[in-house]
Amino acid sequence: EVQLVESGGGLVQPGGSLRLSCGASGFTFSTYAMSWVRQAPGKGLQWVSTISGGDDSTYYADSVKGRFSISRDNSKNTLYLQMNSLRAEDAAVYYCAKKGLAVTGQFDCWGQGILVTVSS
Amino acid sequence: QSALTQPASVSGSPGQSITISCTGASSDVGNYNLVSWYQQRPGKAPKLMIYEVSKRPSGVSNRFSGSKSGNTASLTISGLQAEDEADYYCCSYAGSSTLEVFGGGTKLTVL
Repeated sequence: EVQLVESGGGLVQPGGSLRLSCGASGFTFSTYAMSWVRQAPGKGLQWVSTISGGDDSTYYADSVKGRFSISRDNSKNTLYLQMNSLRAEDAAVYYCAKKGLAVTGQFDCWGQGILVTVSS
Repeated sequence: QSALTQPASVSGSPGQSITISCTGASSDVGNYNLVSWYQQRPGKAPKLMIYEVSKRPSGVSNRFSGSKSGNTASLTISGLQAEDEADYYCCSYAGSSTLEVFGGGTKLTVL
């Protein structure tokens, strides 16, 4: 059974940093593209970032480009999202999601989500 | 990249069919057969219901179907059941720069 478990969320001040982690199990982690998708309170889903399973190519939404960095450690079956220069509008539940073999694939499995609050 | 356009809400009675539209542009929905649909119940993570416009993952009821015409994709739920009440989001591949774009979501109410 595929399982994705996020951790590392919490309260951070504007301008601060936070690193989210997503532990994966139940599939060959290194093979698949992985993504982060967020959902602000009461709002819709917003794609944040994707990393490929092969050459570790990375992709970012314009709203986070230059501030967020996605990475993966295939030896630990873990996906990361380093978030710097956080803004109030980054506050959201962040979901880790597994994609298909290609970065163009659908999000076929999601974690339970982790809350990030940005406030002074 | 603009979000895809979905109706804010739709409703239907048990046993009826409903359709949720998802309108994009020639740069996303109209250019790729890579539209997916997600169901999200309150307080839960999204669940994949349809991928590549009309394919259903294993375990998803065949009451759910997807289609596309031009820049608009659609999700149809037939034989509505109370358990179908949820928010539904469409998503489309939008090219190697933007990668993904979601719709704003549609709240389905089963009357």
